[in-house]
Amino acid sequence: EADIYQTPRYLVIGTGKKITLECSQTMGHDKMYWYQQDPGMELHLIHYSYGVNSTEKGDLSSESTVSRIRTEHFPLTLESARPSHTSQYLCASSDWDRGPADTQYFGPGTRLTVL
Amino acid sequence: AQSVTQLGSHVSVSEGALVLLRCNYSSSVPPYLFWYVQYPNQGLQLLLKYTSAATLVKGINGFEAEFKKSETSFHLTKPSAHMSDAAEYFCAVSDKSGNTGKLIFGQGTTLQVKP
Repeated sequence: EADIYQTPRYLVIGTGKKITLECSQTMGHDKMYWYQQDPGMELHLIHYSYGVNSTEKGDLSSESTVSRIRTEHFPLTLESARPSHTSQYLCASSDWDRGPADTQYFGPGTRLTVL
Repeated sequence: AQSVTQLGSHVSVSEGALVLLRCNYSSSVPPYLFWYVQYPNQGLQLLLKYTSAATLVKGINGFEAEFKKSETSFHLTKPSAHMSDAAEYFCAVSDKSGNTGKLIFGQGTTLQVKP
């Protein structure tokens, strides 16, 4: 059973607000990922991290930023939320022992609505 | 570049009938392939994965998939559908070019199971 948590699960917020989506895992995994998922669409990678103090942008351009100060924690921040940021955000982690063959474990997601 | 195509955004079967969800991939190197399931309001859960071992892969909940290189396919099957199988199913290929470990997802297939 994978232990990866995301809070909040649902967030409705007004335009211009700063928000932070939390993601934590208790498995000691080095690699962590943020994916964005629009309704009925595939997931797209927006950020990933190899480990502490390592962050990289993914394929899908995003105005969000991430940080990795602790192994278990990988928060995503939007400085000024806009309606175009409305989406579901999924966090995942893997231990990278087998590289690309490793299983990624996903959190339950945060469904963000910006009014 | 690697890509995944899932044929049929919606599949409807009767309870007890065969489930067949189609996935075709494009990859210049032998791929690692995954099937994930997403239940409503939950994150993604790994059903099974192909990592260059046996071409017939068995997963959880009675699902299995066969890797067919000649057809560039990795279709997911289950002999007898259960009401609890109703969910969104995603096929994904792991990016082996670079070191990101990212998953490239198909658009997903919604499985409806009718009583």
